[in-house]
Amino acid sequence: DAKTTQPTSMDCAEGRAANLPCNHSTISGNEYVYWYRQIHSQGPQYIIHGLKNNETNEMASLIITEDRKSSTLILPHATLRDTAVYYCIVRDSNRDDKIIFGKGTRLHILP
Amino acid sequence: DTGVSQNPRHKITKRGQNVTFRCDPISEHNRLYWYRQTLGQGPEFLTYFQNEAQLEKSRLLSDRFSAERPKGSFSTLEIQRTEQGDSAMYLCASSPPRGTPYEQYFGPGTRLTVT
Repeated sequence: DAKTTQPTSMDCAEGRAANLPCNHSTISGNEYVYWYRQIHSQGPQYIIHGLKNNETNEMASLIITEDRKSSTLILPHATLRDTAVYYCIVRDSNRDDKIIFGKGTRLHILP
Repeated sequence: DTGVSQNPRHKITKRGQNVTFRCDPISEHNRLYWYRQTLGQGPEFLTYFQNEAQLEKSRLLSDRFSAERPKGSFSTLEIQRTEQGDSAMYLCASSPPRGTPYEQYFGPGTRLTVT
């Protein structure tokens, strides 16, 4: 079973920051937080991952709370092309090879 | 394009027929995964190869399903005697050798419709 809890859906206005929350209260010390997204009719796409520190790349920022029990994915300036299902996953990638996906958050970017 | 490729992209078949899908991973990736995704659900793990060795199979992979990766490069997933419940998107992913935390790179998927 997925170890994360995410809202089913969210709306965000185009040009604004999209903040997608994820709860992972049972995360263990060796598990990373990964985010993937899936645009309609495409395969999932890796976005970002982190262990304890906040991370930023060209796609997004990942903010992980100090106790690591929750995190937020931030898309700083959402565009219509960011409309997708976003999956938050916790995984010890040094031990687990497969990804266990939940249902994710369906993000709608509104024009 | 050096990403993961899958063929065919769409397949419509009649119940009881056999189908085979192909996945070509990113060239330097030695690990390859198959997932299945039904409407409204996240992808579900089916099986995993490291080089040519099949290291893990999900209980979702019934006896009618078989996957191979004979030379450690491309992989095939065959479904025998298809059933309507097999209708789904079949996704392939690959990843580089283990070391630092790694991500999986997914192909576009093969959408199977069993009529």
